[in-house]
This record gives sequence, C-alpha cells and structure tokens, in this order.
Amino acid sequence: DIQMTQSPSSVSASVGDTVTVTCRASQDITTFLNWYHQKPQKAPKVLIYAASILHPGVPSRFVGRGSGTHFTLTITSLQPEDFGTYYCQQGFRSPQTFGQGTKVEI
Amino acid sequence: QVQLQESGPGLVKPSETLSLTCAVSGDSISNFYWSWIRQPPGKGLEWIGYVYHTGNSDYNPSLKSRVAISLDSSKQRFSLSLTSVTAADTAVYFCARYFETNTGWYFFDFWGPGHLVTVSS
Repeated sequence: DIQMTQSPSSVSASVGDTVTVTCRASQDITTFLNWYHQKPQKAPKVLIYAASILHPGVPSRFVGRGSGTHFTLTITSLQPEDFGTYYCQQGFRSPQTFGQGTKVEI
Repeated sequence: QVQLQESGPGLVKPSETLSLTCAVSGDSISNFYWSWIRQPPGKGLEWIGYVYHTGNSDYNPSLKSRVAISLDSSKQRFSLSLTSVTAADTAVYFCARYFETNTGWYFFDFWGPGHLVTVSS
C-alpha cells in the first residue's frame, strides 16, 4: 500500500492567518492527490483534486501544489469555517489511502 | 444534487456480520463507482472498497477476506457486508461516490452523513 504522511498533526491559527499542511507519499503518485476537509460529526468534503484543481464551489483561498511524493495545501486568510481536520488521499493505486489528518484549530 | 444515506443496525455482536445499505438519490447509480469508507472514533479514514455499476468491485486487501459490496440498480442502492466483526470494526461508516472526471481524475465527491456501528456483545 502507498503510505500517506501528513504534517503537522495539528496547528493553531488565528482568523486571517495562512496555514500550510504537508502530505508526503511513500512512492511517486504523480498528481493523483486529493484534499478533503472534515468538520466534527460530518462527512469529509473534497476541496482539491489532481493535486491543484479546485473543486467547484471551493473558495480560492485554498491552494494545492505538488507532484511526485510531496504535496502541500495552503489556506490563505483563514476563516472561522475553516476549522476542522484536513486529509490528503492518493488515487494513484488501489487501495486508495488517506493521510492521518491535520487538525486546524482556530 | 446527489444525496446518499446510510442505513442499518447500529449495534452488531462480535463474530456476526455487519450489513449496511446506502440509498442514492438525485442521479442514476449507473456509470459511477460507489464506495464504502470507515472512520474509527477519533481516528482517520480507511477505504473499504467500491463497486462499479457493472457489478465489478475492488476491496482493500486488509479487509478483502471479510468484505463484499453489491449494487442494486433497480433500487438505486448499494450495500456493504463485513463478516466476523470484532471491536476493531467499530467505526462510522460512510458511503460515497468515487467520481471520474473526463480527464481521468478520481475523487470522492458526494458522501452520506455517516452511520455509527458499534461492535459489542
């Protein structure tokens, strides 16, 4: 299986800050990398697919970059609704695997 | 807008079979991959498997010997069966659509709200 490792595991930030989450794959996954946001007791929602393509309706303050084994999700001008946990997920090879999550606390 | 809704028992005894159903509305169940994903309390997400509208399926090797996912197009629903459950199978179970773009990218775009299943005697 392809292992996905996220860092940091948690981060505290204030409204208006910029936050960056890193995701590393255990092998080259080209750009088959997706990002999700999950609020407590809710299902995850897709933010970015193909490493950098914003899903329709997602605000432009979310920016995804990277390829190969190193990826980042940057949230600029953090908003109160951005709290929660962020997960990366690789779709390069089955089984699809997720990172362990990064909790963003406002 | 596609909507998914999980249903099934919330409590299953150890060694028994966990069975859940996901009802799909708002779009045809055909032409897509339909997945189950689970999340143990306080932990991360684990992909269980998916079924294609043709009936083809793929499973996580860690669960493959115990899991089956089936699809009923006429009823717009798909189902999960997980046998020989233990306390380690306690989790919120999500059903989700695994969407393929016309450029070959895949992601989980619509999810059910989740259904907590506790394995306990």
